[in-house]
Amino acid sequence: GENVEQHPSTLSVQEGDSAVIKCTYSDSASNYFPWYKQELGKRPQLIIDIRSNVGEKKDQRIAVTLNKTAKHFSLHITETQPEDSAVYFCAASDRYSTLTFGKGTMLLVSP
Amino acid sequence: GAVVSQHPSWVICKSGTSVKIECRSLDFQATTMFWYRQFPKQSLMLMATSNEGSKATYEQGVEKDKFLINHASLTLSTLTVTSAHPEDSSFYICSAKGQEFSYEQYFGPGTRLTVT
Repeated sequence: GENVEQHPSTLSVQEGDSAVIKCTYSDSASNYFPWYKQELGKRPQLIIDIRSNVGEKKDQRIAVTLNKTAKHFSLHITETQPEDSAVYFCAASDRYSTLTFGKGTMLLVSP
Repeated sequence: GAVVSQHPSWVICKSGTSVKIECRSLDFQATTMFWYRQFPKQSLMLMATSNEGSKATYEQGVEKDKFLINHASLTLSTLTVTSAHPEDSSFYICSAKGQEFSYEQYFGPGTRLTVT
């Protein structure tokens, strides 16, 4: 089955800095890679996703890059704000299988 | 966007009793629903996948006789934790996927179960 590794497990940045979270996956059949933000006690919220037919996708301050050859994808958050503080999960899936999540990254943005 | 609800949002029960959690898709037909469990400071772990009208497929290590899943309609799936014990205390989250959504799953708000 799929195995998703995520790092770092914790990330502390100053407000305004950039944050980068990296994930690797094992199954070359995976072709959908979403990123979720989860605040304490709440549901995961999809913040951005990418499919295997593109290498990069951007939405305002958030971007995701995908390297299919190396089987890794990354989340980039620019101009971080305190409200970006949360746990971020990457995941991998193909159309017919379930999501496999990484272990999560706790992002702390200090004012 | 697609909306998924869960009920109850939290529940406290005594050891040995059973608890039922409902997951509903409010504005789309959920052909597939997923049940996850999340322990504190850990990731989401898939427990089972259910397709409407079919038996659920359980992940390795998940006891199907303890965690009963029913997906009787295109908008409702239920998870029943039978003979709950304190180690079953966790955050249970469902997600739903419709035919029109090739990849995306929509998550419910979760149910916090505490077994005393």
